[in-house]
Amino acid sequence: AQSVSQHNHHVILSEAASLELGCNYSYGGTVNLFWYVQYPGQHLQLLLKYFSGDPLVKGIKGFEAEFIKSKFSFNLRKPSVQWSDTAEYFCAVNSYGNKLVFGAGTILRVKS
Amino acid sequence: EAGVTQFPSHSVIEKGQTVTLRCDPISGHDNLYWYRRVMGKEIKFLLHFVKESKQDESGMPNNRFLAERTGGTYSTLKVQPAELEDSGVYFCASSQPGQGHYEQYFGPGTRLTVT
Repeated sequence: AQSVSQHNHHVILSEAASLELGCNYSYGGTVNLFWYVQYPGQHLQLLLKYFSGDPLVKGIKGFEAEFIKSKFSFNLRKPSVQWSDTAEYFCAVNSYGNKLVFGAGTILRVKS
Repeated sequence: EAGVTQFPSHSVIEKGQTVTLRCDPISGHDNLYWYRRVMGKEIKFLLHFVKESKQDESGMPNNRFLAERTGGTYSTLKVQPAELEDSGVYFCASSQPGQGHYEQYFGPGTRLTVT
């Protein structure tokens, strides 16, 4: 069965600090990988996704993620966080058209 | 284009009562998914419709949960009778094959509290 592990449940950073959120998955077949974000009071929205091709994908708001197949990882990065990045971040995986399997989520708080 | 909508946004019911949650997917999306997040836990899949057919209902917790999607448009999720452990946020998502590689668009969720 698919599973997703997010390394940190809570992260606190100061503005301008760099961010890296870890995500590892277990699945034997072809996967699609996603990072979703939920800002306070808002619904889940897609940050970025990987299906194939360049393993370094860029998303909205300056976020990027790197797919490392050998490590079954899809870590999220941002070189300089802003207060407005305070949110909960979810890594997820699926195979085409099927259910998403989510990690437990990482709550990021950015101190201004 | 309107996004995925869910109704109600919040529901508080007593144990043993019945609640029906509604999801309106993005117009034209054939795939509709229900997920649930119990407090402190990860978001978990409940079931997947393709048009009006249940493609995968492996995540439905038990037979107190009934999902329907008559006509392949909106969907309802009924919990009858509700138990305390059913409390959580119920999310709906939709997607369309061939668009964005099955990217799923989420609704705002329904927060269900069973007392």
